[in-house]
Amino acid sequence: DTGVSQNPRHKITKRGQNVTFRCDPISEHNRLYWYRQTLGQGPEFLTYFQNEAQLEKSRLLSDRFSAERPKGSFSTLEIQRTEQGDSAMYLCASIEGFGTEAFFGQGTRLTVV
Amino acid sequence: RKEVEQDPGPFNVPEGATVAFNCTYSNSASQSFFWYRQDCRKEPKLLMSVYSSGNEDGRFTAQLNRASQYISLLIRDSKLSDSATYLCVVPLYGQNFVFGPGTRLSVLP
Repeated sequence: DTGVSQNPRHKITKRGQNVTFRCDPISEHNRLYWYRQTLGQGPEFLTYFQNEAQLEKSRLLSDRFSAERPKGSFSTLEIQRTEQGDSAMYLCASIEGFGTEAFFGQGTRLTVV
Repeated sequence: RKEVEQDPGPFNVPEGATVAFNCTYSNSASQSFFWYRQDCRKEPKLLMSVYSSGNEDGRFTAQLNRASQYISLLIRDSKLSDSATYLCVVPLYGQNFVFGPGTRLSVLP
């Protein structure tokens, strides 16, 4: 157990529905990252926060995706109007500071049917 | 050129073999590097950090070549339990952790 928790672990949703995932990072870590991973690929960067500030978003992140980290603690990732191509594992990583290792949660596996 | 590149494999090696993977990166300013191990349908877990020329931990050795901009991971005396995907990670200053696509290793009995 890395100390990073993600909920839910699995989510099945119908196309067009909205979904929200939550990540609780290690409490003293100020950086939080979201990644998406599909089978056979490495994790693909989505966005990251330093404390409550969202510092970077991937160009691949469409307007249907939004992330928040109110108060610099937990973070949520919302996908609106889900599409089948959104089916993937969504990983959250907690990092104490730049250049240090990332600790991952167990991920949320999303299936859009 | 992609920011981080790896040979996806798969590398199929017999138990006891020595196997090496390379990872090339494009940003010459990168100062720290990581190898993560990922088992099927699980989250990545840190295997080794590389901050200077290299690092060694038991059967695992990571080396950094800044001039050629690559890091390598050497696994000696491969075990069946080493079968996994090995991800190279390069933090980009002020930006995100960039993952390579991963190299799949299968150690065969």
